[in-house]
Amino acid sequence: GAVVSQHPSRVICKSGTSVKIECRSLDFQATTMFWYRQFPKQSLMLMATSNEGSKATYEQGVEKDKFLINHASLTLSTLTVTSAHPEDSSFYICSALNRATEAFFGQGTRLTVV
Amino acid sequence: QKEVEQNSGPLSVPEGAIASLNCTYSDRVSQSFFWYRQYSGKSPELIMSIYSNGDKEDGRFTAQLNKASQYVSLLIRDSQPSDSATYLCAVNPDSFGNQFYFGTGTSLTVIP
Repeated sequence: GAVVSQHPSRVICKSGTSVKIECRSLDFQATTMFWYRQFPKQSLMLMATSNEGSKATYEQGVEKDKFLINHASLTLSTLTVTSAHPEDSSFYICSALNRATEAFFGQGTRLTVV
Repeated sequence: QKEVEQNSGPLSVPEGAIASLNCTYSDRVSQSFFWYRQYSGKSPELIMSIYSNGDKEDGRFTAQLNKASQYVSLLIRDSQPSDSATYLCAVNPDSFGNQFYFGTGTSLTVIP
């Protein structure tokens, strides 16, 4: 299958700081990438759909000014959590769609805000 | 109505048995269907894709699609304890590919 690399895998930051998470499709081009958040023992929650060269589409209840998404190329999307607070601590996962519309997931980023 | 529905389980089967996981979807014109496996603390990994009515087999896994009934299932033969995970059904409703809906997942435990 296709490979999606997400970095970092773990990050601990202080409350009020910003954290950037990168999602790269290594062996295919992805016009569309998705960003999810998952709390322990809960299902994936779609945060936003990121399309290359255009603004991301955010799901209801997700603050676009807090979760900044940039999809500047066909292989890279970034999620920046701005002014992070402890309630933003979660498992953040990206996925990228290949030409066959299969979604491949990154390894996930475990964010802890202290 | 949710786009994709799954029984959350938990589903328990003995080792060596067949595990049957089911999924229904609401958008009749959906084109592409997928099964993912997610181990605790890890991100989902793609197991099977299916696009046409009927069965598709890959090793111990068989996906079954019935578009008329808006139903897709996953059978796991000769279940192993390592198959214990949450299984997510996903649907891409259009050929443009920029939408992707997941079910909430079914937790499967294979008992040794």
